[in-house]
Amino acid sequence: AQTVTQSQPEMSVQEAETVTLSCTYDTSENNYYLFWYKQPPSRQMILVIRQEAYKQQNATENRFSVNFQKAAKSFSLKISDSQLGDTAMYFCAFQTRLYGGSQGNLIFGKGTKLSVKP
Amino acid sequence: KAGVTQTPRYLIKTRGQQVTLSCSPISGHRSVSWYQQTPGQGLQFLFEYFSETQRNKGNFPGRFSGRQFSNSRSEMNVSTLELGDSALYLCASSQSTADTQYFGPGTRLTVL
Repeated sequence: AQTVTQSQPEMSVQEAETVTLSCTYDTSENNYYLFWYKQPPSRQMILVIRQEAYKQQNATENRFSVNFQKAAKSFSLKISDSQLGDTAMYFCAFQTRLYGGSQGNLIFGKGTKLSVKP
Repeated sequence: KAGVTQTPRYLIKTRGQQVTLSCSPISGHRSVSWYQQTPGQGLQFLFEYFSETQRNKGNFPGRFSGRQFSNSRSEMNVSTLELGDSALYLCASSQSTADTQYFGPGTRLTVL
């Protein structure tokens, strides 16, 4: 069974600084997807970034980038120029790519609560 | 394009009752998944529907059930509610079973 571990329950960062959130996962699969989702206090889960395991290039979305180390089964999220609106719970998630191209269900880590301080 | 909508947003029930939650996916999305979020267990997968068929099911008791209609809207039902069913129930939709899931705002269920 796949598992996702986020070892940092809480983190804080000063506005405009850079922060890195850690995520490790365990799987015997070779084809899968990894995600970071953000859940602000309003509760709406928002997709931050998506990485396909067969792509060696790390995904980036504006101020958000990942460091994907497949051999180490590590998938960290870097947030640059942190903003107050980045304050949220961040979840790392794993999803198996099934035969035929469909995808399995999302398996989430416990989350990291990030606070951006002015 | 409107996002995933869930109704109601808040619900209070008592033990033994049953409840039905509704989810309307993003227009054009045919796959709907449901997740339960609690402080203790985190986010756990309940089930996934695609084209009115349950495609995948998580490890929850039979009291939890769902269905999907021809317009892709989905409902989940919990019968004989227990205190431990208190949670945020999240619905996510995707265009197909091979696409990224987008979440709704959730329904907060409180069981007294």
